[in-house]
Amino acid sequence: EAGVAQSPRYKIIEKRQSVAFWCNPISGHATLYWYQQILGQGPKLLIQFQNNGVVDDSQLPKDRFSAERLKGVDSTLKIQPAKLEDSAVYLCASSPQDNEQFFGPGTRLTVL
Amino acid sequence: RKEVEQDPGPFNVPEGATVAFNCTYSNSASQSFFWYRQDCRKEPKLLMSVYSSGNEDGRFTAQLNRASQYISLLIRDSKLSDSATYLCVVKREGYSTLTFGKGTMLLVSP
Repeated sequence: EAGVAQSPRYKIIEKRQSVAFWCNPISGHATLYWYQQILGQGPKLLIQFQNNGVVDDSQLPKDRFSAERLKGVDSTLKIQPAKLEDSAVYLCASSPQDNEQFFGPGTRLTVL
Repeated sequence: RKEVEQDPGPFNVPEGATVAFNCTYSNSASQSFFWYRQDCRKEPKLLMSVYSSGNEDGRFTAQLNRASQYISLLIRDSKLSDSATYLCVVKREGYSTLTFGKGTMLLVSP
């Protein structure tokens, strides 16, 4: 079974630039999550989708971060404009309803 | 106080040693508990769930103490391949979102 796919794997940008990450969850998984993992920290949830609806975005910095899952399958996370403190690994995870979450390989973002 | 707290380590142990990690959580509404493993520059993967009665999976034993609000992971006969960061994770009743601790790094040496 194919796992969660993410792209790009690495991205380097300058502060104030924009960046977008893409995630394709495991087929059939209704729930999709975006996490931010700063070096030395555990993953922190940014947003959770159930199909194409947002369940929890309480920790998403909405002034600069946005995410969508228009057709209830793949998802994009955007940062506009990026700040130095946004340097982190952005992990996408999916799960079938309320079960185990499966993580993708992540996108490592460096903001200079 | 952070919702999930762990000693970041690193724990340096020789092969064959037994090592234990503890984790405390602050929200008494937490209902489900897990240990995830994260290798360097890799994604987290579920190691095991933690049940009130305690559970064992090969060399790994997880225990939960609800009264004291802590979770433990015991690794027996450590292998080089056990070197990783172990993330303590809790889930609140009625929510599907996970809250992760910072992780405890384990380094097993020959």
